[in-house]
Amino acid sequence: DAKTTQPPSMDCAEGRAANLPCNHSTISGNEYVYWYRQIHSQGPQYIIHGLKNNETNEMASLIITEDRKSSTLILPHATLRDTAVYYCIVRTDQGAQKLVFGQGTRLTINP
Amino acid sequence: DAGVIQSPRHEVTEMGQEVTLRCKPISGHNSLFWYRQTMMRGLELLIYFNNNVPIDDSGMPEDRFSAKMPNASFSTLKIQPSEPRDSAVYFCASSWRAAGEQYFGPGTRLTVT
Repeated sequence: DAKTTQPPSMDCAEGRAANLPCNHSTISGNEYVYWYRQIHSQGPQYIIHGLKNNETNEMASLIITEDRKSSTLILPHATLRDTAVYYCIVRTDQGAQKLVFGQGTRLTINP
Repeated sequence: DAGVIQSPRHEVTEMGQEVTLRCKPISGHNSLFWYRQTMMRGLELLIYFNNNVPIDDSGMPEDRFSAKMPNASFSTLKIQPSEPRDSAVYFCASSWRAAGEQYFGPGTRLTVT
């Protein structure tokens, strides 16, 4: 019962911006968009989340479309260490919630 | 601050043996989650606790699996008896509130022969 759709893989050149898309056309009004990533052999790492406004932190920016049916995670200056699987997850921000991880996007940063 | 701590990092055991995985959440976090990751099934939630109380254990595969959280700073996941199909990486994660972002430990790689 995946709620998000992501491309299975993407490539990006080192130093360029990496833009990772996510479709969540059935998102509910009270559901947030969360992004995590998993670098090889490590535990998943929280990146950013948002409801409807664009968000930015020290790791990335999150752009959510006005209809909230899709979003884009932006890594502004990708480095080789950003090579990882990136997961887009939708969930509410109320009550005890489990994360449902889909297959994610395998992002490869090339030198 | 130390992140989520898991031990052991690697465990190799024979089929039929008992396995205990341990997790120390981030101090101050009141929610704790156990996940399992395999190539075939990806990341799956097994069970989660809120304020040391199990909230949802629907992901626990069968009665051979059990989890406890005796206090806010410690949790265990036990498999008895272990089987080869239990081989996976087991992650523990914690969150300062049940619906907040989760912080994962480095995982325990379990191999059952």
